[in-house]
Amino acid sequence: GQQLNQSPQSMFIQEGEDVSMNCTSSSIFNTWLWYKQDPGEGPVLLIALYKAGELTSNGRLTAQFGITRKDSFLNISASIPSDVGIYFCAGLNSGGSNYKLTFGKGTLLTVNP
Amino acid sequence: NAGVTQTPKFRILKIGQSMTLQCTQDMNHNYMYWYRQDPGMGLKLIYYSVGAGITDKGEVPNGYNVSRSTTEDFPLRLELAAPSQTSVYFCASSSVRGPRDGYTFGSGTRLTVV
Repeated sequence: GQQLNQSPQSMFIQEGEDVSMNCTSSSIFNTWLWYKQDPGEGPVLLIALYKAGELTSNGRLTAQFGITRKDSFLNISASIPSDVGIYFCAGLNSGGSNYKLTFGKGTLLTVNP
Repeated sequence: NAGVTQTPKFRILKIGQSMTLQCTQDMNHNYMYWYRQDPGMGLKLIYYSVGAGITDKGEVPNGYNVSRSTTEDFPLRLELAAPSQTSVYFCASSSVRGPRDGYTFGSGTRLTVV
């Protein structure tokens, strides 16, 4: 099946630093989504992107839908301890069955106060 | 508004036992999904349903069964538990617009098979 390559796998940063993570695919997607999973909870949607080149912000989070439609990026500015968690990208492809998202393996973020 | 509710939150099963993981949603969502999450492996789709009476296999369906008799409920059945089924299981749903608007996830069931 389709795969999303999400990187980095994990990050250890100091509070206040900015964070960048990305997702790439060999297939075109027409929707990109970014989720955050807090420890012991289910993933929660952060940002949805629907157009190539689109740049969308949600507070300190900014995500971009790559021009090629095969990648997406998430940036977190001025990280705080509650940013700790696993961040997942997810894509919905442009053809065939549109019932299922494809998920990346996640980026585990640790923020040192 | 409860969203997606999963029960139980934790369970320990012995090898060969059976159990049903319950999932219910109160958002009138057509699409429902079951995922398992193993450390470092992301989310793998077990089964999904696009409406009452319709189910289909995902990436890793072996050892599991589902049913969808109502819009609200989508239980996942493990018939003969094996250690390889030790995982965290998430149920999710999405609206009639489909996953384009994202999924709403439950808080998960942590299952250990010993």
